[in-house]
Amino acid sequence: DTGVSQDPRHKITKRGQNVTFRCDPISEHNRLYWYRQTLGQGPEFLTYFQNEAQLEKSRLLSDRFSAERPKGSFSTLEIQRTEQGDSAMYLCASSLVTGPGELFFGEGSRLTVL
Amino acid sequence: QKEVEQNSGPLSVPEGAIASLNCTYSDRGSQSFFWYRQYSGKSPELIMSIYSNGDKEDGRFTAQLNKASQYVSLLIRDSQPSDSATYLCAVNGHSTLTFGKGTMLLVSP
Repeated sequence: DTGVSQDPRHKITKRGQNVTFRCDPISEHNRLYWYRQTLGQGPEFLTYFQNEAQLEKSRLLSDRFSAERPKGSFSTLEIQRTEQGDSAMYLCASSLVTGPGELFFGEGSRLTVL
Repeated sequence: QKEVEQNSGPLSVPEGAIASLNCTYSDRGSQSFFWYRQYSGKSPELIMSIYSNGDKEDGRFTAQLNKASQYVSLLIRDSQPSDSATYLCAVNGHSTLTFGKGTMLLVSP
């Protein structure tokens, strides 16, 4: 297992379009997290899953954002009707239940909304 | 709202010196504390975790925790130019991590 993988690495889209990001976690990790990071800021929590259940969503998360983790394996993060303020690096991370703070991050998916 | 505060820096130290990075947090119920290193253009990677008051050493890194003061620090001994990065403090209350903005460390040869 080579770690957490994310796809695509870069996405440029026009305002109003929908985008979807995919994350494949480390296979034995049952927790999967989505964070967003902008320049000069730390990662901001968006949502997390334990197996296929979405257990927490940030109150800051707009209803344009939706995440799924069917069958408790890979996850997708969809942003509908993108806005320029959505431009950021979207980071996926995974962990074991026994180590909830010990996150292994993917390389991220950078979104640019024109 | 849970907050994690860090000085954004940059903190500049010469090679071989001790770098001291500090972090305060607002949620007194926080249980575990982490330091992540993030190189420019890369994603964060975990370098230290600490769960109880006191010091925890791992090679050139020492994490210090004082829950009464709600304070976490990271000391890097014998700093190397390869340590130049942004160091993110992260605090775990229940099941999710809250990150600070990070402190940029620059180690000059």
